[in-house]
Amino acid sequence: GEDVEQSLFLSVREGDSSVINCTYTDSSSTYLYWYKQEPGAGLQLLTYIFSNMDMKQDQRLTVLLNKKDKHLSLRIADTQTGDSAIYFCAEAGAGRRALTFGSGTRLQVQP
Amino acid sequence: NAGVTQTPKFQVLKTGQSMTLQCAQDMNHNSMYWYRQDPGMGLRLIYYSASEGTTDKGEVPNGYNVSRLNKREFSLRLESAAPSQTSVYFCASSDLAGEHNEQFFGPGTRLTVL
Repeated sequence: GEDVEQSLFLSVREGDSSVINCTYTDSSSTYLYWYKQEPGAGLQLLTYIFSNMDMKQDQRLTVLLNKKDKHLSLRIADTQTGDSAIYFCAEAGAGRRALTFGSGTRLQVQP
Repeated sequence: NAGVTQTPKFQVLKTGQSMTLQCAQDMNHNSMYWYRQDPGMGLRLIYYSASEGTTDKGEVPNGYNVSRLNKREFSLRLESAAPSQTSVYFCASSDLAGEHNEQFFGPGTRLTVL
């Protein structure tokens, strides 16, 4: 079946850039997503990228997609303490209604 | 516009008890989903409903039943709770315009089964 893998933890200093990585197995993935979960809350969509794109930029967020290697990354520029959260990568394959989520990367931002 | 709401926020059950988790959305979305979140495992799909009147099994449906009561509401029932069902449960909804499946999540229900 489809699988999405992420590293579990990332620690950065305030003001640095953060890069969260994700790999997936489904070659038919059409859209790939980044969700953010703050403590005690549900998931919020941060950004998404269509599979025919290599890069998408949205303010401090940059998403890079290497479709050949099935690798997705999320770069957060000028990381702030408010960015501390769990970040989930998710993918949607062609014809599938549900998303497949990774296990989440906990980002810790140190002052 | 409340988005996706879930009740209750917290629940403690004894093994063998039953309960229903409620979910409602006010975004006029066709599709609704139930996920469970366990430490280190991300979100796993339990059931989903592509449209009113239809439901389908997800990755981990055993021990659960669902009802799509109307377009707004999608409930999840545990008939005989087990400790393995201790988890955080999230409801989500989406409007599948084209291929893009942006899902909107509720705040979650934290369930403990003793």
